[in-house]
Amino acid sequence: DGGITQSPKYLFRKEGQNVTLSCEQNLNHDAMYWYRQDPGQGLRLIYYSQIVNDFQKGDIAEGYSVSREKKESFPLTVTSAQKNPTAFYLCASSIDRAQETQYFGPGTRLLVL
Amino acid sequence: EDQVTQSPEALRLQEGESSSLNCSYTVSGLRGLFWYRQDPGKGPEFLFTLYSAGEEKEKERLKATLTKKESFLHITAPKPEDSATYLCAVQAWWGNKLVFGAGTILRVKS
Repeated sequence: DGGITQSPKYLFRKEGQNVTLSCEQNLNHDAMYWYRQDPGQGLRLIYYSQIVNDFQKGDIAEGYSVSREKKESFPLTVTSAQKNPTAFYLCASSIDRAQETQYFGPGTRLLVL
Repeated sequence: EDQVTQSPEALRLQEGESSSLNCSYTVSGLRGLFWYRQDPGKGPEFLFTLYSAGEEKEKERLKATLTKKESFLHITAPKPEDSATYLCAVQAWWGNKLVFGAGTILRVKS
């Protein structure tokens, strides 16, 4: 079955630690996105990538980094510079920028110890 | 700045009691308006895309409509399994991102 997978489902971060969230898709989509979801707020865009080896900052990129070395993979690193990392992180993909419909993965919940 | 406001924040219905959710938006040239369903602890599930005023789309007990300023998600004779958070988002012609509303939490009691 085609789809988007995210791992782990839960992730615990110690203060000062960098952690990496995995996102993989087998839909052959060109574009991939990372969103952050906090209670009572809409999803906010962290980073997006329209093509391999290229990515752009979204609205809340500070304290995060990404890479896009393969079409199928778009990992997100939450760095120690992100002072309030506790949130639900969602990865999405779309066929390309011209195809607006984004399909989401199951999410990773990041908690701070 | 593009904005999306959803109302009400929460809605409780009895099984079979039809109602509507509202999504008001401001955007500099609408490319598309999207509705998603999200169950607790899971990623959003795509429901509909609407592109122009007057457009309507249906799926089972759900019907989405669009005007120049707002969209409605009509739920006809809801069942408990329709309980979820419903998210609305817009995309502008010039942008890559979706701008999301905070969502409406729907609870349907049997």
